[in-house]
Amino acid sequence: EAQVTQNPRYLITVTGKKLTVTCSQNMNHEYMSWYRQDPGLGLRQIYYSMNVEVTDKGDVPEGYKVSRKEKRNFPLILESPSPNQTSLYFCASSSRQVGGATGANVLTFGAGSRLTVL
Amino acid sequence: KQEVTQIPAALSVPEGENLVLNCSFTDSAIYNLQWFRQDPGKGLTSLLLIQSSQREQTSGRLNASLDKSSGRSTLYIAASQPGDSATYLCAVGLSGSARQLTFGSGTQLTVLP
Repeated sequence: EAQVTQNPRYLITVTGKKLTVTCSQNMNHEYMSWYRQDPGLGLRQIYYSMNVEVTDKGDVPEGYKVSRKEKRNFPLILESPSPNQTSLYFCASSSRQVGGATGANVLTFGAGSRLTVL
Repeated sequence: KQEVTQIPAALSVPEGENLVLNCSFTDSAIYNLQWFRQDPGKGLTSLLLIQSSQREQTSGRLNASLDKSSGRSTLYIAASQPGDSATYLCAVGLSGSARQLTFGSGTQLTVLP
């Protein structure tokens, strides 16, 4: 089954304790992206990647890191989490750059990772 | 900077009603617009995608329209069912941009049996 898998789905942690949220897709998609969703603010893009070793900042990259060493994986790293990073996180992928001049393909989303930082 | 607004934030209707969800955007230079459905504990599922050159798209009981000049899109749901209860988000893709979609904050729909 074609899917985007995120882990963990739920996590409670404390301020300053480094954590990684993994994201893996099995569709050979070039494009991957991380979003956070907060009440009243919709989804905001954190980082995106157009291919292996190519990453760029989204709208709210502060406090996050990403890497794209393999095409299928796009982990989100919080080096020193803070309470304002408590949120619902989504990873998504597509075969092309959705929204750009060449792409009209649909994004496939993971089920989300709910993170609480105390 | 593109801003996407969805009003109302929440909507409750009795089963069987036809309803319209609204989405507005500030920059008309969009490449496409998508409507998504979000269920609790699940990711987003794309419902309809409208290219900027199109006026509407239909899928079953759903019809999405796009008016670029006025910066508006609507999602029409016919004969609503309790299973339609979810949060609906619209998102616009910008022309010539390397960025992904800009999302609205969503409308939470409850269809009462």
